[in-house]
Amino acid sequence: SQTIHQWPATLVQPVGSPLSLECTVEGTSNPNLYWYRQAAGRGLQLLFYSVGIGQISSEVPQNLSASRPQDRQFILSSKKLLLSDSGFYLCAWTSQGKAFFGQGTRLTVV
Amino acid sequence: GQQLNQSPQSMFIQEGEDVSMNCTSSSIFNTWLWYKQDPGEGPVLLIALYKAGELTSNGRLTAQFGITRKDSFLNISASIPSDVGIYFCAGFLSNYQLIWGAGTKLIIKP
Repeated sequence: SQTIHQWPATLVQPVGSPLSLECTVEGTSNPNLYWYRQAAGRGLQLLFYSVGIGQISSEVPQNLSASRPQDRQFILSSKKLLLSDSGFYLCAWTSQGKAFFGQGTRLTVV
Repeated sequence: GQQLNQSPQSMFIQEGEDVSMNCTSSSIFNTWLWYKQDPGEGPVLLIALYKAGELTSNGRLTAQFGITRKDSFLNISASIPSDVGIYFCAGFLSNYQLIWGAGTKLIIKP
């Protein structure tokens, strides 16, 4: 069966520090992968998606970047975090008309 | 980015009441999905709809894919405290382009 792993679950980082969030999918090949951000009590904002290795599409210009070094690995990064980067980050993959999410990372920039 | 029109934004109901929420769009979708998100967790798939007019149930939940392929509704019968959370609709515009509603927050009055 397919599973998605996202870590860490929570993260507190100072302003100006780098960020690296990792997501891996098991049990499938060539998945479409997504990074979303969610403000408290709000909807899902698509940040990046990838339809293959090395292929990244950005939906919103921002302080973040994404990479897909392997078929089932999707990484969200920042060189210097801003206070406004705080939020709940979700990784997802889609297959056969369905989307599945990781458990999310609660990022607090202080 | 593009977003589905989901309503209501929030609902305050008594335990035991039935709940109804819906999503509409100006675009035609081939797939409609309904998710529930608990606090601090990733959204979990409740029901997937693939054909216009399709009516699908999952326990006390029932969802329908509108005939025009531009709308869908989700009903919850006899609500219980664990139904509290945020419900999202989503639809695929293409095999990777997944569009989301803003969510319906369900709150049960004590």
